[in-house]
Amino acid sequence: GQQLNQSPQSMFIQEGEDVSMNCTSSSIFNTWLWYKQDPGEGPVLLIALYKAGELTSNGRLTAQFGITRKDSFLNISASIPSDVGIYFCAGLPRSSNTGKLIFGQGTTLQVKP
Amino acid sequence: GAGVSQSPRYKVAKRGQDVALRCDPISGHVSLFWYQQALGQGPEFLTYFQNEAQLDKSGLPSDRFFAERPEGSVSTLKIQRTQQEDSAVYLCASSPDRRAEAFFGQGTRLTVV
Repeated sequence: GQQLNQSPQSMFIQEGEDVSMNCTSSSIFNTWLWYKQDPGEGPVLLIALYKAGELTSNGRLTAQFGITRKDSFLNISASIPSDVGIYFCAGLPRSSNTGKLIFGQGTTLQVKP
Repeated sequence: GAGVSQSPRYKVAKRGQDVALRCDPISGHVSLFWYQQALGQGPEFLTYFQNEAQLDKSGLPSDRFFAERPEGSVSTLKIQRTQQEDSAVYLCASSPDRRAEAFFGQGTRLTVV
């Protein structure tokens, strides 16, 4: 089935540093979503992207929908300890008519104070 | 409530036992999804409802898995004759439109012993 390649798998950074992670696919997606998941909780939506080339910010978070519609990236600026968690990209394939999301395998972020 | 609610939060089942997992979506949300999340992995799609109609069940791993949403609101995911490989977190998500971003519940962690 369709898969998303998310990288890096994990990151360990110093508080205040910027972070970048990305997702790529071999097929075209109509929507890209970025979620954060804390231990024992469900994924929480951070940013939604609907158009190729779209750049959207949510506080210190910025995400972009790749022009080819096969990739997306998420940047976190000036990281703080509460940014710790697992970040997932998720895409809605062009071929889908049911809203079925395809998820990446996640990027685990650890922030050292 | 304001968000997607799932119960129970944790379930331990003996192998061979039947289990039922409940999801209360956000009021008025037409679309409802079930996902399965194995440890260290991203969520994987199980099934999709639009109101009471189950329009996509392509992700259900076997005929032991059954989902229903009889009145177009609350949904139940039932697993018959549970096996150890069924151990995972089961996430429910809802959205106002099948093309819109999905909001997740906290999940039910199922452990089959």
